Amino acid sequence: GQNIDQPTEMTATEGAIVQINCTYQTSGFNGLFWYQQHAGEAPTFLSYNVLDGLEEKGRFSSFLSRSKGYSYLLLKELQMKDSASYLCAVNQAGTALIFGKGTTLSVSS
Amino acid sequence: DADVTQTPRNRITKTGKRIMLECSQTKGHDRMYWYRQDPGLGLRLIYYSFDVKDINKGEISDGYSVSRQAQAKFSLSLESAIPNQTALYFCATMGQEPNGYTFGSGTRLTVV
Repeated sequence: GQNIDQPTEMTATEGAIVQINCTYQTSGFNGLFWYQQHAGEAPTFLSYNVLDGLEEKGRFSSFLSRSKGYSYLLLKELQMKDSASYLCAVNQAGTALIFGKGTTLSVSS
Repeated sequence: DADVTQTPRNRITKTGKRIMLECSQTKGHDRMYWYRQDPGLGLRLIYYSFDVKDINKGEISDGYSVSRQAQAKFSLSLESAIPNQTALYFCATMGQEPNGYTFGSGTRLTVV
């Protein structure tokens, strides 16, 4: 079977750092994606990890541990515009991306 | 023009009606996907296709059918719509893995 877990909601303040965790159990793992989605809009690509370790891209970083079935997305210097849903998705080899239910992040001033 | 275009953007239909959601892409990608999104349930895979002759069921294919008319076109049909098919539907394409999916803008479907 396949299971992807991430927290439902998180809150943070402007300028802070927030870490969104994702744990997964899938067959045929072929990489993990993070997407950002604002309400009513299409998801947009943030990061991709296929090997263990940290990938950094500006204010956003993503980490993967394949042995632990674990990833996190780190957002630094939070801004109000970062209020959105963050989707963890596992690339199941030979099929499609399987998404978690998403984490809604609310950033307050 | 958008790389992945979904039509219509919004649709209200009655229970029992047949409806088709269309998706076309200019990315030249072979792999295309249909998902539905419901509040609290995330994106769930309905069907996917790796080329014109390849169609595969996803997690929640019951009540849906698809047609891959060409490399660039992948349509989703609801043969007899029911209210619990009310959702936001996304089409996506995929090229090389590091770039992930390219999503369409979505179709908001309401079945009354």
